Amino acid sequence: DAKTTQPNSMESNEEEPVHLPCNHSTISGTDYIHWYRQLPSQGPEYVIHGLTSNVNNRMASLAIAEDRKSSTLILHRATLRDAAVYYCILRFDTGANSKLTFGKGITLSVRP
Amino acid sequence: DTAVSQTPKYLVTQMGNDKSIKCEQNLGHDTMYWYKQDSKKFLKIMFSYNNKELIINETVPNRFSPKSPDKAHLNLHINSLELGDSAVYFCASSQGRKANYGYTFGSGTRLTVV
Repeated sequence: DAKTTQPNSMESNEEEPVHLPCNHSTISGTDYIHWYRQLPSQGPEYVIHGLTSNVNNRMASLAIAEDRKSSTLILHRATLRDAAVYYCILRFDTGANSKLTFGKGITLSVRP
Repeated sequence: DTAVSQTPKYLVTQMGNDKSIKCEQNLGHDTMYWYKQDSKKFLKIMFSYNNKELIINETVPNRFSPKSPDKAHLNLHINSLELGDSAVYFCASSQGRKANYGYTFGSGTRLTVV
């Protein structure tokens, strides 16, 4: 699986937008970009995923660079509940047994 | 309704014992997974089943044996428990095995071996 690089941590203020970066310079053409988050003492939670185009859902937006070597997860208005570890993961589409491999992630803190 | 449920939530047991963790999903998904999160918070995949068939088996001691009686259930049995087995174990499910599908995780089972 291609690797992703994320900062270790980031701080934000409540009710402000948050941009979480992810670098994946060795991404291949069939790698999907997935984001998950893990709140304290909970299981990981799916946030969003995309391939080439930007994606929006009720939780967040995913902005993918034109060359696909980086992406940004955007939380439009951070709340205290958004404090979590966010994982940027590439999933290679083998057509069969594509697995989700977690890295260290980025720890997001939200200040009231 | 809980989508992916695991039981028990907490499990404290002595070294050498045999224990099982159960997982059930009511999402109609056909693929289920077991992950282990150690004390350093790294999440690692252990096993995956698709329609009751084992499709991913990572380098896991053979003391760990998954069993899938049907596609809605994936249980994990651990023989001869060791201190190093202490971790949080997460079950997950997805509809399909391809990269275009997201996973739904359970809330975890915290196993402590003393």
